[in-house]
Amino acid sequence: QVQLQESGPGLVKPSQTLSLTCTVSGGSISSGDYYWSWVRQPPGKGLEWIGYIYYTGSTYYSPSLKSRVTISVDTSKNQFSLKLSSVTAADTAVYYCARVPYCSAASCYRPFDSWGQGTLVTVSS
Amino acid sequence: DIQMTQSPSTLSASVGDRVTITCRASQNINSWLAWYQQKPGKAPKLLIYDASSFESGVPSRFSGSGSGTEFTLTISSLQPDDFATYYCQQYKSYWGTFGQGTKVEIK
Repeated sequence: QVQLQESGPGLVKPSQTLSLTCTVSGGSISSGDYYWSWVRQPPGKGLEWIGYIYYTGSTYYSPSLKSRVTISVDTSKNQFSLKLSSVTAADTAVYYCARVPYCSAASCYRPFDSWGQGTLVTVSS
Repeated sequence: DIQMTQSPSTLSASVGDRVTITCRASQNINSWLAWYQQKPGKAPKLLIYDASSFESGVPSRFSGSGSGTEFTLTISSLQPDDFATYYCQQYKSYWGTFGQGTKVEIK
């Protein structure tokens, strides 16, 4: 059974870069069977897809966050990471890492089938 | 981008009630729709995918239907464990947008 665990600072100052890491256990990122994703949820609000990465390094980002987001993968550590630059209070949220089954057909996408427990990141001076 | 709209935003119901939540897409998404359940302080849990297929372990009282732009999640007999917030998500595009959520409360 795969497990995903987010880690990183819980407090980030405005204009700085938010950095989080997701460690995957019980399965290999390099298997090629999944995309590895980030989703966030502001307190009391709904879910927002941020982006995902394949083990090869191919990335897909939300159009609304694309200019500030970088997702990277470290297959040797079985981890993937999120960086969100120039943060403001609006970026305060619980950040989840999650897994999406890979689909090789053109324009084929799948839902999130496994999630980390989430980590709250507060943007405040 | 594809917008997803759920209704109602909040639903008050009693144990044993039949409950229906609606999700509408701003354009045709075929059957590329999932439903998630989220309890306070927890990550979402996948219930239904491809509009009507059950994720492993999901109780049979949950069912999904619809295609195109209109979808429903039905709970045939509400149980105490079902009080939660439910989200739909389209995955026709790589940018998988979510509905705003429907909170199922105890009446």
